[in-house]
Amino acid sequence: DTAVSQTPKYLVTQMGNDKSIKCEQNLGHDTMYWYKQDSKKFLKIMFSYNNKELIINETVPNRFSPKSPDKAHLNLHINSLELGDSAVYFCASSLRGDTEAFFGQGTRLTVV
Amino acid sequence: GEDVEQSLFLSVREGDSSVINCTYTDSSSTYLYWYKQEPGAGLQLLTYIFSNMDMKQDQRLTVLLNKKDKHLSLRIADTQTGDSAIYFCAVNLGGYQKVTFGIGTKLQVIP
Repeated sequence: DTAVSQTPKYLVTQMGNDKSIKCEQNLGHDTMYWYKQDSKKFLKIMFSYNNKELIINETVPNRFSPKSPDKAHLNLHINSLELGDSAVYFCASSLRGDTEAFFGQGTRLTVV
Repeated sequence: GEDVEQSLFLSVREGDSSVINCTYTDSSSTYLYWYKQEPGAGLQLLTYIFSNMDMKQDQRLTVLLNKKDKHLSLRIADTQTGDSAIYFCAVNLGGYQKVTFGIGTKLQVIP
């Protein structure tokens, strides 16, 4: 059973479109995250949620809107996609905010 | 500079030891982590150390923590080609929820 699963794995879309990436964890964790990994492999936290509540928003443009319908899900919606949004987006979860994070396999987003 | 710093690249011969270093600006973290990312995959926890420890050994892996100098290192003994990956250190900086990752060190193992 996959602990943290995100869909889709690959996403190719045109500039200006709106897209969503879904994430689900079956570990019973309270905390979920979205990370962005750019072409240089630099990993940056975007959002952190604890029990469906937003805890961290790291200067991410308003075009990015996370939604947590329950503590097992954290979806990422992106409006008006730009070329610079091309990256690999990782969802992760952890039991608490400072414990081991379990990562999904990543979603490679390519904006053309 | 960045809050968590690592060198970008390390190349070693198979069978040699690898040492990957990480420095950080501050830490309120209970744990400090090393993650491994293989090509096309997500990050997986490799090992971690409690902040009140100086050293932790786990088979071929040795983690050293110097809290005074804010320096964390990962030593891989008898490095194998399967160890080729990107290694990220991660620490909790300035907040309960904010685990910050270094830029990642790409380890290349030459057969």
